[in-house]
Amino acid sequence: AQSVSQHNHHVILSEAASLELGCNYSYGGTVNLFWYVQYPGQHLQLLLKYFSGDPLVKGIKGFEAEFIKSKFSFNLRKPSVQWSDTAEYFCAVRGSQGNLIFGKGTKLSVKP
Amino acid sequence: SQTIHQWPATLVQPVGSPLSLECTVEGTSNPNLYWYRQAAGRGLQLLFYSVGIGQISSEVPQNLSASRPQDRQFILSSKKLLLSDSGFYLCAWRAKGGLGNTIYFGEGSWLTVV
Repeated sequence: AQSVSQHNHHVILSEAASLELGCNYSYGGTVNLFWYVQYPGQHLQLLLKYFSGDPLVKGIKGFEAEFIKSKFSFNLRKPSVQWSDTAEYFCAVRGSQGNLIFGKGTKLSVKP
Repeated sequence: SQTIHQWPATLVQPVGSPLSLECTVEGTSNPNLYWYRQAAGRGLQLLFYSVGIGQISSEVPQNLSASRPQDRQFILSSKKLLLSDSGFYLCAWRAKGGLGNTIYFGEGSWLTVV
């Protein structure tokens, strides 16, 4: 069965620090991968997605993620975080029914 | 443009009471609809999905049920709530036509069973 693992439950950074959130998936076939973000009190919204092509995907707000097939990974990165990036981040893989299978999420707290 | 509405936003219910969460989608037709639950420390879990009116698939055995009485309406129900039903419930939709279509989420409903 497909599954997604996010390694960090809670990450605390200072502003301007670099961010990398780990995500590993288990699925042997063609994968569609996603990162969603949920800011406090807001909807879950799409940050970026990978379907095919360039394994380095750029998303909104300066985020990017790299698909490494050999490592079954899709880590999220941002060179310099801001206080407004404080949120919960979810990695997901597309399931066979078109649904999303999510990781448990990583809470990011950025100190001003 | 398409929008998705979910209500109520929060509710506190006693154990053994019934539940009804409602979700409606506007601006699209014949969407795939989903109910997810986010329990503390357990991420987002797919509960039900529907590809059409009256067509419901359940992903996990549980105390909940779902119904789709109209094309753009998706209801999550329980006859008797358990403490373990507490969590954050999210409705979502996706346009048909390819797995590449983005899934869009509603605002969510916080359920506390006491």
